[in-house]
Amino acid sequence: QVQLVQSGAEVKKPGASVKLSCKTSGYSFTTYYIHWVRQAPGQGLEWMGFINPNRGSTNYAQKFQGRVTMTSDTSTSTVYMELSSLRSEDTAGYYCARDRIPIGEVAAGHTCGIWGQGTMVTVSS
Amino acid sequence: QSALTQPASVSGSPGQSITISCTGTNSDIGGYNYVSWYQQHPDRAPKLLIYDVTNRPSGLSNRFSASKSGNTASLTISGLQAEDEADYYCSSYTGTSTLVVFGGGTRLTVL
Repeated sequence: QVQLVQSGAEVKKPGASVKLSCKTSGYSFTTYYIHWVRQAPGQGLEWMGFINPNRGSTNYAQKFQGRVTMTSDTSTSTVYMELSSLRSEDTAGYYCARDRIPIGEVAAGHTCGIWGQGTMVTVSS
Repeated sequence: QSALTQPASVSGSPGQSITISCTGTNSDIGGYNYVSWYQQHPDRAPKLLIYDVTNRPSGLSNRFSASKSGNTASLTISGLQAEDEADYYCSSYTGTSTLVVFGGGTRLTVL
């Protein structure tokens, strides 16, 4: 079955960077966008962007442009999300999610279908 | 892009029906038929409930239904059960550089 397994919790100091991984299995890796969504403690969901794992092309939310980098490794079916210049407000759970439908279909890139378990990132001095 | 507007909380008794609203603008909900709804239990990842305004993923209970009118989307849960107690989020495609926007979330309490 489709699975997205994320890397473990991270603790970082302000100003540092963090790179999270999302290893996928159970489907053709290059066929679906992978989204990243974050959730601050006790708060709502916030879309960060997605990557086309085949081409490596990305679409980032305006808020994160310049600070986020999403990459993919087709040899291991893994997607990475790096967030730089961390501040306390970046303390959150970070989720990867596979899009609901294959790239190229009309509504591709609009819906997070299957989610990873999440990775907690704590930014503290 | 501002978040979509949802009520902070709703409640209902077992067996009853509840509706959660999600209000956006002409640039998101009102402009596209790409509204999704997600359910999130405490300390769990979100789960897709509804996509493209009204569609349920295969295997999902038909107690969950949704609709849209103008700039407002709605999720209805009928025959409330204890396990429905969770947070519910709407989202919409926006067509802007921030392609997807979420609502602030609604906590459902089953009394």
